[in-house]
Amino acid sequence: AQSVTQPDIHITVSEGASLELRCNYSYGATPYLFWYVQSPGQGLQLLLKYFSGDTLVQGIKGFEAEFKRSQSSFNLRKPSVHWSDAAEYFCAVVGGGSNYKLTFGKGTLLTVNP
Amino acid sequence: DAGVIQSPRHEVTEMGQEVTLRCKPISGHNSLFWYRQTMMRGLELLIYFNNNVPIDDSGMPEDRFSAKMPNASFSTLKIQPSEPRDSAVYFCASSLENNRGPFSSPLHFGNGTRLTVT
Repeated sequence: AQSVTQPDIHITVSEGASLELRCNYSYGATPYLFWYVQSPGQGLQLLLKYFSGDTLVQGIKGFEAEFKRSQSSFNLRKPSVHWSDAAEYFCAVVGGGSNYKLTFGKGTLLTVNP
Repeated sequence: DAGVIQSPRHEVTEMGQEVTLRCKPISGHNSLFWYRQTMMRGLELLIYFNNNVPIDDSGMPEDRFSAKMPNASFSTLKIQPSEPRDSAVYFCASSLENNRGPFSSPLHFGNGTRLTVT
């Protein structure tokens, strides 16, 4: 079965600094990969997704992610963080014979210091 | 579009009571998912409906849990009897599935129901 690992439970960055959130997946073939963001008391919102093609994908709110097959990674990046980016971020994968069962990582909580 | 609507936002109940959570998916969407979020286990898929039919309920933890989708605009998740370990945030999500699968369009989440069982 596929799995997703987000090694960082909590990250703190200063406003304006760059950000990289790590995500590693375990799956034999090329999975569908997603990043979601969850603000307090809210549901999850899709930031971006990778199905195939260009390994660098652009998402909403200035986020991007790069699929690296050799490293089984799909790290999320943003060049300059805004205070409003403070939230919890989830990496997710679909694969393993299922085209609907999203497996989520445990999430990374992002704190932004002024 | 109002998005996925869940009710109630918060539910506090005593152990042994029946709990019903409600979801109205986005109009036109044909796939619906119920997820449970806890600190310990993260986000878990409970059940997946496509065109109102349950496709996969393998994530439903026990027979105490049941879900229905009587029509395209409404779904319920029922817990009877409830137990303290059922305390969690329950999310409903919907998407429009085509021949590329249910994630060819974004998965839209509701704001969740926070359930507390005392």
